[in-house]
Amino acid sequence: ETGVTQSPTHLIKTRGQQVTLRCSSQSGHNTVSWYQQALGQGPQFIFQYYREEENGRGNFPPRFSGLQFPNYSSELNVNALELDDSALYLCASSSRGMGETQYFGPGTRLLVL
Amino acid sequence: AQSVTQLDSHVSVSEGTPVLLRCNYSSSYSPSLFWYVQHPNKGLQLLLKYTSAATLVKGINGFEAEFKKSETSFHLTKPSAHMSDAAEYFCVVSVSNSGYALNFGKGTSLLVTP
Repeated sequence: ETGVTQSPTHLIKTRGQQVTLRCSSQSGHNTVSWYQQALGQGPQFIFQYYREEENGRGNFPPRFSGLQFPNYSSELNVNALELDDSALYLCASSSRGMGETQYFGPGTRLLVL
Repeated sequence: AQSVTQLDSHVSVSEGTPVLLRCNYSSSYSPSLFWYVQHPNKGLQLLLKYTSAATLVKGINGFEAEFKKSETSFHLTKPSAHMSDAAEYFCVVSVSNSGYALNFGKGTSLLVTP
């Protein structure tokens, strides 16, 4: 069974640029959630995708957007990057439902200069 | 809204002594609660979860947690700490109104000394 994978592992961008992060979900999972973890903080929920539609969203502006594909993989897009967007971005896959375990990928570390 | 509060930002124990990481939750109904661990430069790993079955939950690596509704607590314990337990620990609640997203506590950094 393949776990959750994310690419790239590290990324450096400059303020105002756009970035796309990718996530492949674990086999058998139909739900992907994205989290932002700033240095020294707990992860913060960005949004969740279920069957290719956004299924819930945290307190993040519209310049954070995403996609889910028919194979349940997902992308996180961030436009107009700001310095505060520098963080570890974590993807988690799961089956949908209360109490379902979310399995996390290793993350993409984004640095915005 | 469902939330968790981790009562200690840092905990230091000696190797071989018990570990106690404290977490209180807030929820209007029976919550789903988790403990995750994050080792330096590693992803998040599930230690254990509570989903309204047995109140004493056993997890990996000798960790366990007890759900106490009367105290709204879900503390994580281990009888004997090992050096490899040094990591960041997160208490987490599942939030029903956001597609069952996870709401993380601020984390407790566990230091294990020889």
